[in-house]
Amino acid sequence: GNSVTQMEGPVTLSEEAFLTINCTYTATGYPSLFWYVQYPGEGLQLLLKATKADDKGSNKGFEATYRKETTSFHLEKGSVQVSDSAVYFCALSLMQGAQKLVFGQGTRLTINP
Amino acid sequence: EAQVTQNPRYLITVTGKKLTVTCSQNMNHEYMSWYRQDPGLGLRQIYYSMNVEVTDKGDVPEGYKVSRKEKRNFPLILESPSPNQTSLYFCASTPQPGQGARGYTFGSGTRLTVV
Repeated sequence: GNSVTQMEGPVTLSEEAFLTINCTYTATGYPSLFWYVQYPGEGLQLLLKATKADDKGSNKGFEATYRKETTSFHLEKGSVQVSDSAVYFCALSLMQGAQKLVFGQGTRLTINP
Repeated sequence: EAQVTQNPRYLITVTGKKLTVTCSQNMNHEYMSWYRQDPGLGLRQIYYSMNVEVTDKGDVPEGYKVSRKEKRNFPLILESPSPNQTSLYFCASTPQPGQGARGYTFGSGTRLTVV
C-alpha cells in the first residue's frame, strides 16, 4: 500500500540551528510529494512540493529533494527561527485509486530563543 | 481571497445528535475531501468528491455521510455521532488531485467533541 513515515517528534532546537525532518514513503506508481505546515490553532498550509524525481521544492528557507532511489523527501532548513515552531506533515499524492493525500503522522517542532 | 471555509470552528455535542459540518470553497475546484486528524495518526481521509454528485469513501468513512450537490459545497454529516468521532476535522480542495497537483487548500479545521 501507500504510506508515509516521518521521524518521530517532538523536535526541539535552538534558534539558528540546522533542521532536518526525515520523511520516507512507499508508493505504487510515481507520487507527488508535499510538506505541509500547521501553525498552532490553524489549518494546514502547503510549504513546498515536488512532482518528479530529483525535483527540489523550496519555500521560506525550507528545502526538500525528491529522492526516488531512497524513496525519501527530507525537509531541511539551514537556520531555524522561533516562528518556525509548528507541526510539519509529509504527504504524497497519487493519481490512481482514491485520489487522496496520504500523510505521515506529523512532527512537532519547537524552536527556543 | 481564495479559501476553504469550514463551520463551525468548535462544536461540542452529545452522542446520537445529528450534526453537519459545512465546507465551502471559492476557487471552482472540482476535487474536495474531508480528513480527520488524531494524535499520532496524522490525517486520514474520510470521504472525497471528484465533482458534483460524485463522491466516494476514503480510509475511515464509517459513521459519516457527505453530499456534493453544488461544486462549491461539500458538507460532512454525522447522523449519530459517537465519542470515537471526537477529532479535528479538515476540509480540503484542489483543482487537480494526484501527480502534478498544485497542492491542496485546507480549511481552518473544526474541533468536534462528542460526549
